[in-house]
Amino acid sequence: GNSVTQMEGPVTLSEEAFLTINCTYTATGYPSLFWYVQYPGEGLQLLLKATKADDKGSNKGFEATYRKETTSFHLEKGSVQVSDSAVYFCALSGPGGANSKLTFGKGITLSVRP
Amino acid sequence: DAGVIQSPRHEVTEMGQEVTLRCKPISGHNSLFWYRQTMMRGLELLIYFNNNVPIDDSGMPEDRFSAKMPNASFSTLKIQPSEPRDSAVYFCASGDRVSDTQYFGPGTRLTVL
Repeated sequence: GNSVTQMEGPVTLSEEAFLTINCTYTATGYPSLFWYVQYPGEGLQLLLKATKADDKGSNKGFEATYRKETTSFHLEKGSVQVSDSAVYFCALSGPGGANSKLTFGKGITLSVRP
Repeated sequence: DAGVIQSPRHEVTEMGQEVTLRCKPISGHNSLFWYRQTMMRGLELLIYFNNNVPIDDSGMPEDRFSAKMPNASFSTLKIQPSEPRDSAVYFCASGDRVSDTQYFGPGTRLTVL
């Protein structure tokens, strides 16, 4: 079945530091890949997505590239801000895309200190 | 658009009581998902509907849980009787085929004493 593995957390960085959060996946077929972010006390918000190999998703300075050869979708940001402190989830969709189950990683908590 | 609407946002109840969680998906979306989030198990899919029809309920923990979607704009998740281990945040999400994205509601934090 499908699965998503995220690096262990939590992660604490200083403001303006470079961020990488690793995500690898196992899936049948060609899933879409997503990064969701959850701010304290809120629901999950879509951060970015990629729907096919070599696609790069980007939003708010965050980027991730769909790497089929390494089955990875690592999240990066060149300069983090205190407001980026949140929990980040990597996810993949089933064959039905948005109309099918999302499989999530365990999530990683990012704390950015001033 | 108001996004996915869930109610109540917080629910505190006693063991054995019936709990009903409600969700209004985004208009025009044709799929609806119920997820549960706990520290121990992370995010788990409980059940999902396409065009108001339940497609996969294999994640529903046991017979105490039931979900309905009587029309395209409303769904309920019911727990009867509730138990302390049901304490969690329950999220509803609606899926948009055009953008190939699921949009999450703010969640209902359930505490069963």
